[in-house]
Amino acid sequence: DGGITQSPKYLFRKEGQNVTLSCEQNLNHDAMYWYRQDPGQGLRLIYYSQIVNDFQKGDIAEGYSVSREKKESFPLTVTSAQKNPTAFYLCASSHTGELFFGEGSRLTVL
Amino acid sequence: AQSVTQLGSHVSVSEGALVLLRCNYSSSVPPYLFWYVQYPNQGLQLLLKYTTGATLVKGINGFEAEFKKSETSFHLTKPSAHMSDAAEYFCAVSDGRSSYKLIFGSGTRLLVRP
Repeated sequence: DGGITQSPKYLFRKEGQNVTLSCEQNLNHDAMYWYRQDPGQGLRLIYYSQIVNDFQKGDIAEGYSVSREKKESFPLTVTSAQKNPTAFYLCASSHTGELFFGEGSRLTVL
Repeated sequence: AQSVTQLGSHVSVSEGALVLLRCNYSSSVPPYLFWYVQYPNQGLQLLLKYTTGATLVKGINGFEAEFKKSETSFHLTKPSAHMSDAAEYFCAVSDGRSSYKLIFGSGTRLLVRP
């Protein structure tokens, strides 16, 4: 079945460590997105990519990095520079304006 | 700049009662508007969307929303709530043209009382 796969679903990290969240889609969508979700704050855009080998910062890009080497993949790295990384991270893709979401990855910093 | 305001972080209704979740938007261009639903620890699922054409939009699970340009609103309704409707609901807006970035509201958690 077509869809978006995020892994891992749950991740624990010690302070000072980088961690990479995986996002893979088989919908043949050009655009992909990473959102961060915190309680009571809705979803905030971290990075997005409209085409392979190109990506743009969203509203809260500091402390995060991404790559888009393949159309199907858009991994997100949460670096040690991100001061408050504990959150629920959602990956999405789109073709005609409608976003399709993965199941999310919950990152907890210990 | 675009923005979305959802009035009420929590809405509680009785099973069988009308559901009304409010959404107002700000956009300098004709907007694309969306409602998504999220169940605990899951991703978001599209309920319905408005792009162009008919202003009353019907979605899944018996939900519908009406685009009112004069009121800059896109409220979500369902005539009769079911226990399975308990979830968090997000309204979102995009310009749909220069990019497909969606701006989300802060969400409304719907509680359904038996």
